Amino acid sequence: QQQVKQSPQSLIVQKGGISIINCAYENTAFDYFPWYQQFPGKGPALLIAIRPDVSEKKEGRFTISFNKSAKQFSLHIMDSQPGDSATYFCAASIRRSARQLTFGSGTQLTVLP
Amino acid sequence: DVKVTQSSRYLVKRTGEKVFLECVQDMDHENMFWYRQDPGLGLRLIYFSYDVKMKEKGDIPEGYSVSREKKERFSLILESASTNQTSMYLCASSLRDSGGYTFGSGTRLTVV
Repeated sequence: QQQVKQSPQSLIVQKGGISIINCAYENTAFDYFPWYQQFPGKGPALLIAIRPDVSEKKEGRFTISFNKSAKQFSLHIMDSQPGDSATYFCAASIRRSARQLTFGSGTQLTVLP
Repeated sequence: DVKVTQSSRYLVKRTGEKVFLECVQDMDHENMFWYRQDPGLGLRLIYFSYDVKMKEKGDIPEGYSVSREKKERFSLILESASTNQTSMYLCASSLRDSGGYTFGSGTRLTVV
């Protein structure tokens, strides 16, 4: 059962454009929603994260928008750059014995120069 | 620079072999995780550990086991490798209540 659904699978954006990646979750017990960025040959790295008590979080060109009632959250990359080309994963977690992350299926972003 | 180090970047093993994947972290993190990454499926949790000698099953534990004898080291064991275990394996660690994981660079395992 896929608890976090991510779309689109791939995304091509022109330099300077806005990249938008969407995720939806099912389990209302999730209380932490991070985004990870992965470059080829590397492991994923934490990019930005949000908790459900806020509707938006911004760090530089990256913004998470969170809609608790719709059980959806999205990553917006403003002024997209070729260096942003990577695979992006959304995730959600509940704190049990450890804070385990459930990941989406990933979005391969290509930013054209 | 803090690191999670996976012992092998690429491995090729034969069906039925016992395979050990090693992971070491130098950040004194309590939690360690093993994920496998497959195209279109994202990252799926195999096992995790929240303390030395403690382990819990993730979403896809079948065919795998783990060992954590020391805080900094977490091993993934494929008891009898099969072709459907060909994948990228990622190790991660985190502080006790943190969702901010530090990942290793991965081990690409091919079972022939």
